[in-house]
Amino acid sequence: DAGITQSPRHKVTETGTPVTLRCHQTENHRYMYWYRQDPGHGLRLIHYSYGVKDTDKGEVSDGYSVSRSKTEDFLLTLESATSSQTSVYFCAISVNGNTEAFFGQGTRLTVV
Amino acid sequence: AQSVAQPEDQVNVAEGNPLTVKCTYSVSGNPYLFWYVQYPNRGLQFLLKYITGDNLVKGSYGFEAEFNKSQTSFHLKKPSALVSDSALYFCAVRDNQGGKLIFGQGTELSVKP
Repeated sequence: DAGITQSPRHKVTETGTPVTLRCHQTENHRYMYWYRQDPGHGLRLIHYSYGVKDTDKGEVSDGYSVSRSKTEDFLLTLESATSSQTSVYFCAISVNGNTEAFFGQGTRLTVV
Repeated sequence: AQSVAQPEDQVNVAEGNPLTVKCTYSVSGNPYLFWYVQYPNRGLQFLLKYITGDNLVKGSYGFEAEFNKSQTSFHLKKPSALVSDSALYFCAVRDNQGGKLIFGQGTELSVKP
């Protein structure tokens, strides 16, 4: 799907541990996004990036950090995982700031 | 800050009937509007977009959407629903500064034979 790979696809982790999710693209798109999807909340933007080392917060950024050291990779880190961060996480990419975004297949994260 | 509202959690339609999935938005300046569809256990697929121009936008799988600036709405429509259209539909908006892409809560469309 649009050259986007999320890893891992599934993860179970314990409360209090750090977790990093990876989004890798082969499209050389400038913008990359991290969303979480929860029942009743739709998709909520966590962080996004508009270029290498250029990132900004979304709607629900508390407890999350991101890094983008290369165009193709956007990492999402849960600094100390909590049960409220159990969710499905989606990465998306877009060519620029006014075009459609294309989504990865998602990562299902369970914090126990 | 921009926002999107999808006022219906669920829409039920009989196969062959027209369908409408509603979306209203709030954004500073001119909006960029999008519709996506999500099938179970899958990522989101892009359906159509409005950037500028004709208020009626045509997209994939026979879907279309009508942009109404005065009502700040961007409703998704299809003249004749199929059972295979049953899925979760999301409306999304960017402001004209680019950057953030904000989604609504989603509407579950159920098409019955």
